[in-house]
Amino acid sequence: QQQVKQSPQSLIVQKGGISIINCAYENTAFDYFPWYQQFPGKGPALLIAIRPDVSEKKEGRFTISFNKSAKQFSLHIMDSQPGDSATYFCAASKGQGAQKLVFGQGTRLTINP
Amino acid sequence: DVKVTQSSRYLVKRTGEKVFLECVQDMDHENMFWYRQDPGLGLRLIYFSYDVKMKEKGDIPEGYSVSREKKERFSLILESASTNQTSMYLCASSSPGGVDTEAFFGQGTRLTVV
Repeated sequence: QQQVKQSPQSLIVQKGGISIINCAYENTAFDYFPWYQQFPGKGPALLIAIRPDVSEKKEGRFTISFNKSAKQFSLHIMDSQPGDSATYFCAASKGQGAQKLVFGQGTRLTINP
Repeated sequence: DVKVTQSSRYLVKRTGEKVFLECVQDMDHENMFWYRQDPGLGLRLIYFSYDVKMKEKGDIPEGYSVSREKKERFSLILESASTNQTSMYLCASSSPGGVDTEAFFGQGTRLTVV
């Protein structure tokens, strides 16, 4: 069964707009929630990560919002740029950091110029 | 620059062949992973190794085995390749300690079984 569910599967946003990708998880033992960004022909790379003791984390134009009671977290990309066009994966794990990550299905984001 | 290197970008193998996918990391990481990536399914964990000669099954280990004889090298073995193992395979490594460790991924091996 899919322990981390991600939506939407694909997303098209105009340049300068806000991109929002959502994830929901089932296992309440998860305590580390990273987002990975993958460009074509490359492996995924860590973008930003959050722990459940905070509700929001911001790094530049990228923000994770975390709702522990709803078991949901989301990635917001402000002022989206064509260079942000990539596939984004949410993930979750328990224990210390990037151990056995469980990934969502992925979202293919396209930013139109 | 940290690196996880997978030996092949593309492989084409025949059904029934024994296939070896190799991965090397230069970060002295204890943990190494093999994932497969399929459209609409994300990344799914095949096997995990937390030390030399130690391994643990992931979510989809059937039809695969692994070998870790040296800390920097983790091999994925398809004992008898089948067409349903056509996929993108990703190797990753991470260190076990610390609050916010990061998994570093290789560039992937796209395997086609015909």
